Amino acid sequence: SQELEQSPQSLIVQEGKNLTINCTSSKTLYGLYWYKQKYGEGLIFLMMLQKGGEEKSHEKITAKLDEKKQQSSLHITASQPSHAGIYLCGADGGRGSTLGRLYFGRGTQLTVWP
Amino acid sequence: NAGVTQTPKFQVLKTGQSMTLQCAQDMNHNSMYWYRQDPGMGLRLIYYSASEGTTDKGEVPNGYNVSRLNKREFSLRLESAAPSQTSVYFCASSQGGLYGYTFGSGTRLTVV
Repeated sequence: SQELEQSPQSLIVQEGKNLTINCTSSKTLYGLYWYKQKYGEGLIFLMMLQKGGEEKSHEKITAKLDEKKQQSSLHITASQPSHAGIYLCGADGGRGSTLGRLYFGRGTQLTVWP
Repeated sequence: NAGVTQTPKFQVLKTGQSMTLQCAQDMNHNSMYWYRQDPGMGLRLIYYSASEGTTDKGEVPNGYNVSRLNKREFSLRLESAAPSQTSVYFCASSQGGLYGYTFGSGTRLTVV
C-alpha cells in the first residue's frame, strides 16, 4: 500500500502569514490529490497533480509535485480564517487493481487566527 | 446537484446492535468507497466497489460488510457494533482511473 507522511500535524498561523504543508510518499506517486476538510463536513477537492515538476494554483493556494514524484507541497499565501481546516493529501494506488484507490495521509490541522 | 448523499448524519448504537449506513451518488460514477476517519489516523479504506456487482476489501474491513445494490447505491453494514467502530464514516465515488473522489458529508457514529 501507499504510505503518506504529512507534516506538520498541526499549524497555527496569524492571518496574513504564508504557510506550507508537505506530503511525502514512500513510493512514486501516480496521482497526488489535495483535499480540505472543515470540521464536521466532508472533503472538498482542491487539486490533483500527476506529472513531475507540476504546479497548480487556485486563488491563494499553490500545490507542487517534485520531479521525482515522491513529495508534494501545498502553499497558502496571505492566509485567511477561511483557510482553516484539515488538509489531506491522497495518493493513487498506482498500477493494476489499486489504480483509483486513494491512500491518505493523516492530515494537517490548520488554524488561522485574526 | 446532490453529488454523494449519506444517511444518517449521526447515529448512536449500543454494543452489539446492527445498522446499515446508506450512500447514493447521482454522478454515474463506476467506483464507490467507504472510509473511516479517526483522530490522528487520517482516512482508512474499509471496502470499495470498482464497478456494479463487485466489492473488495480495503485496509480495515473486519467487522463490516458492504452491498453494491446498483450503480448508484453502496451500503455499509455493521452486524454487531463495537466501541472500536466509533468513528466518522465517509462514502465517496469516482469515475475510476486517475480521477479524484467526490465525498459525502459523513456519518458520525458512536457505539456505547
